[in-house]
Amino acid sequence: ETGVTQSPTHLIKTRGQQVTLRCSSQSGHNTVSWYQQALGQGPQFIFQYYREEENGRGNFPPRFSGLQFPNYSSELNVNALELDDSALYLCASSLEPHEEKLFFGSGTQLSVL
Amino acid sequence: DQQVKQNSPSLSVQEGRISILNCDYTNSMFDYFLWYKKYPAEGPTFLISISSIKDKNEDGRFTVFLNKSAKHLSLHIVPSQPGDSAVYFCAAIFGNEKLTFGTGTRLTIIP
Repeated sequence: ETGVTQSPTHLIKTRGQQVTLRCSSQSGHNTVSWYQQALGQGPQFIFQYYREEENGRGNFPPRFSGLQFPNYSSELNVNALELDDSALYLCASSLEPHEEKLFFGSGTQLSVL
Repeated sequence: DQQVKQNSPSLSVQEGRISILNCDYTNSMFDYFLWYKKYPAEGPTFLISISSIKDKNEDGRFTVFLNKSAKHLSLHIVPSQPGDSAVYFCAAIFGNEKLTFGTGTRLTIIP
């Protein structure tokens, strides 16, 4: 039990729609990172938020955006969904931005049809 | 460009024997390496790590070996137990960069 919860667990959307995924970090953790795990691949870094500001971004287009709130919750928003966005989206929290040991949630499985 | 590679998608090992999971990397800047374990329907959980200044780190049944000249690390699990059946991800990091994960190896322990 990592103390990191994600909702929903599964989601089905159609191409072109928008989606919001939610994460509740472990209490006291100021940093949240989002990862995309496509089938058969390892988690790929999307972006990180630290104290409600974006603190690093991976190779993902601007239609992937995020928010972090003072209550240790955060959101990942994806606009104009594409079929290739189908993946497991993982949220991970840590005390500080550069910590290697992340605490992951169970993920949201997104299917884009 | 896959900077962290796990070339074996799957591995089956008899219970009680040694499991050896391998990982190769290309970026010589990496200075810290980790192994994460993932069960179905759960997120990855941290297992063990090693700094680039070491060549071995041991934690109970788990030992990670690092060969910097070969840009290779391995995770040894001995003895293997049924609860070790999971997907294992190798990950690496340096400086202010974020974790880079490999593609994972699915380990199955045969009772």
